[in-house]
Amino acid sequence: QLQLQESGPGQVKPSETLSLTCTVSGGSVTGKNDYWGWIRQPPGKGLEWIGSIYYSDNTYYNPSLKSRVTMSIDTSKRQFSLNLYSVTAADTAVYYCVRGTIVLVLDWGQGTLVTVSS
Amino acid sequence: QSALTQPRSVSGSPGQSVTISCTGTSSDIGGYNYVSWYQQHPGKAPKLMIYDVTKRPSGVPDRFSGSKSGNTASLTISGLQAEDEADYYCCSYAGGFTSYVFGTGTKVTVV
Repeated sequence: QLQLQESGPGQVKPSETLSLTCTVSGGSVTGKNDYWGWIRQPPGKGLEWIGSIYYSDNTYYNPSLKSRVTMSIDTSKRQFSLNLYSVTAADTAVYYCVRGTIVLVLDWGQGTLVTVSS
Repeated sequence: QSALTQPRSVSGSPGQSVTISCTGTSSDIGGYNYVSWYQQHPGKAPKLMIYDVTKRPSGVPDRFSGSKSGNTASLTISGLQAEDEADYYCCSYAGGFTSYVFGTGTKVTVV
């Protein structure tokens, strides 16, 4: 059974870069129909898609975050990563890594809380 | 990409039915038959309950059903049970590559 696990710092200072990695187990990241992505949820609020990456390295970002986001994938390690630049308190959220198709999200990691605070 | 509109909360007694609406536009819900619904218990990751408007993944009880009319999708929970108390989010494909738009979320309370 496919499992996803987020890892990274639980706290980031304002104006710095939030970096997270997702490790995939129980399957590969090279499936032709699979898109690997990040979704976040501020405390007490709803879900927001951040972006997705395909195994070929094609990336797709939420237009509202596009200027501050990069994603990458390492198929040999079965990992993909998120960098969110110039963070503010508004970026405090639980960050989920996910597997999906082009039209829906299929599997979720357990989520990791990242707090932006000095 | 604007969030889809859901009621903040709905409630029902055990055994009753509740319906959650999700309103979008012709660019998302109205334009594609790719609406999905997710259940989220406190402190947990969301779980897929409905996809492609009406389909249920394996293991999801048939008490959960989905539908769509125009720019509005709906999730109905029949025979409400205590374990159904959770937050529910709709999601629609919005064109292009992996463009997911989520709803504002609805808290279902079993009274």
